[in-house]
Amino acid sequence: EVQLVESGGGLAQPGRSLRLSCTASFGDYALSWFRQAPGKGLEWVGFIRSKAYSGTTDYAASVKGRFTISRDDSRSIAYLQMNSLKTEDTAVYYCARGSGWCDYWGQGTLVTVSS
Amino acid sequence: EIVMTQSPATLSVSPGEGATLSCRASQSVSSNLAWYQQKPGQAPRLLIYDSSTRATGIPARFSGGGSGTEFTLTISSLQSEDFAVYYCQQYNDWPRTFGQGTKVEIK
Repeated sequence: EVQLVESGGGLAQPGRSLRLSCTASFGDYALSWFRQAPGKGLEWVGFIRSKAYSGTTDYAASVKGRFTISRDDSRSIAYLQMNSLKTEDTAVYYCARGSGWCDYWGQGTLVTVSS
Repeated sequence: EIVMTQSPATLSVSPGEGATLSCRASQSVSSNLAWYQQKPGQAPRLLIYDSSTRATGIPARFSGGGSGTEFTLTISSLQSEDFAVYYCQQYNDWPRTFGQGTKVEIK
């Protein structure tokens, strides 16, 4: 069974950085990141293609230029580097397998941005 | 950006009854639509992809339909474990976008 496990969440001050990790055996799959603010719906954050498809990335407008997704397939880890954090980035962050529909999701990690 | 609109916001249903949830896209997404179920404190669970294909392990009481801009998720006979929030998501274009969710609650 495919399992994805996020880690790295916590409390950060506005303007600071945080890096989330997603551990899983991705194989040739793309990996997506989503988030869900407290009591709100789901929001796509960005994704990274597999190495077979050049490993390129794309991001939501709300995080473009601040967030960066990378992957290290040899270690079965993907990262979401979050810089210049804003209070509105407070959410549970999920990684999931796929770039269209996502069939496996991690359990999520909570990021709270507050002074 | 494609805007996804779900209706109703809340659906009150008795166990054993059927339910139909709707999802509308602001422009055509062909059949590139997925449905997810989410329970409190849990990650979303993929139910349906390509508008009507059930994901692995999803019971046959869940069915999806539609194409273009109008989609439905039908649950034929609600079980206790089906009371949750349901989201539709389009993957025809970037950015991927979700509906705001439909909460299916016990009547």
